[in-house]
Amino acid sequence: AQSVTQPDIHITVSEGASLELRCNYSYGATPYLFWYVQSPGQGLQLLLKYFSGDTLVQGIKGFEAEFKRSQSSFNLRKPSVHWSDAAEYFCAVDNNAGNMLTFGGGTRLMVKP
Amino acid sequence: DSGVTQTPKHLITATGQRVTLRCSPRSGDLSVYWYQQSLDQGLQFLIQYYNGEERAKGNILERFSAQQFPDLHSELNLSSLELGDSALYFCASSQGADNEQFFGPGTRLTVL
Repeated sequence: AQSVTQPDIHITVSEGASLELRCNYSYGATPYLFWYVQSPGQGLQLLLKYFSGDTLVQGIKGFEAEFKRSQSSFNLRKPSVHWSDAAEYFCAVDNNAGNMLTFGGGTRLMVKP
Repeated sequence: DSGVTQTPKHLITATGQRVTLRCSPRSGDLSVYWYQQSLDQGLQFLIQYYNGEERAKGNILERFSAQQFPDLHSELNLSSLELGDSALYFCASSQGADNEQFFGPGTRLTVL
């Protein structure tokens, strides 16, 4: 069965600092990978996705993620964090059948002024 | 705004009761998904419907059921509610073959 691990439950960074959120997946074939963000009291918003092709994908709000098959990872990065980026971030994998998403446990990002 | 709407926003009820959560997908989307987000279980896939037919089932309890109507809106029915059913329930939709799911704002269910 597929699974997703986000090793960091909480991360605190200073505003303007760079950010990397880790995501490791377990899946037999090449997965479809996603990063979602959830602000307090809000639903999930898609930041970016990887289906195939270029392993470095760009998303909204200045985020990017890199798919590394050898490490089974899909880490999310941002060069300079803004206070409005404080939220919970979820990595997810799709089983390639167009249905269920399996989510990681989430990483809560706090941004220090 | 994702274009997916869910009602109600909040629901407070008692153990043993039955509730219905409603979801309207984005215009043109044929697939509807239901997810449960709780503190102990995280975000879990419950069930998917595609154009009125059940397509995939996840960790959905037998006390829970769902359906998708001809106008493509969906309802999630939760019965014999227990304290542990308190959670945020999300609906998502996609065009079908497209794997990108768009999430609604969720319904927060509190069982007292």
